[in-house]
Amino acid sequence: AQSVSQHNHHVILSEAASLELGCNYSYGGTVNLFWYVQYPGQHLQLLLKYFSGDPLVKGIKGFEAEFIKSKFSFNLRKPSVQWSDTAEYFCAALEYYKLSFGAGTTVTVRA
Amino acid sequence: GAVVSQHPSWVICKSGTSVKIECRSLDFQATTMFWYRQFPKQSLMLMATSNEGSKATYEQGVEKDKFLINHASLTLSTLTVTSAHPEDSSFYICSARGDASYEQYFGPGTRLTVT
Repeated sequence: AQSVSQHNHHVILSEAASLELGCNYSYGGTVNLFWYVQYPGQHLQLLLKYFSGDPLVKGIKGFEAEFIKSKFSFNLRKPSVQWSDTAEYFCAALEYYKLSFGAGTTVTVRA
Repeated sequence: GAVVSQHPSWVICKSGTSVKIECRSLDFQATTMFWYRQFPKQSLMLMATSNEGSKATYEQGVEKDKFLINHASLTLSTLTVTSAHPEDSSFYICSARGDASYEQYFGPGTRLTVT
């Protein structure tokens, strides 16, 4: 079964700083990967997804992620964060029809 | 966009009672719905998958007699926590998927507290 690990439990940074969140998955075959965001008090929302093709995926709100097959990684990046990016971020992998989630990373952006 | 609602958003119940949580897809037909459990500061753990009109498929370690799932229509799935105990206190989240894609749309979650 697929397992997903996120390296950072809590990240604190200032506005305009760059953000990178690590994500690694375990399965070596065809993999579909996702990043979700959960703003305080809100439901999970899809930031971006990778199914195939260009390994650099652009998502909403200025986020992007790079799929590196050789490293089993799918790291999330944003060049310049805003206070409104404060949220919980989850990496997930789809195996058959099931999603396996990483433990999540809490991102706190200080104004 | 696809919207999924859950009701109630929070519930407090006494130990030994049963609680029903509803998950609805508001603007699309959900052939498959998923139920997750999320502990504080932890990830979402898939509990079960339900397809409309079929019995739910439970993940290993999830008691099917304790967590009853019904997916009677293409827009509604329910999770009933039977004979609830304090250790069942958690955040329960549902998601729904239509036929068109693999993408799951998540509900806002239900906070269950068992006293």
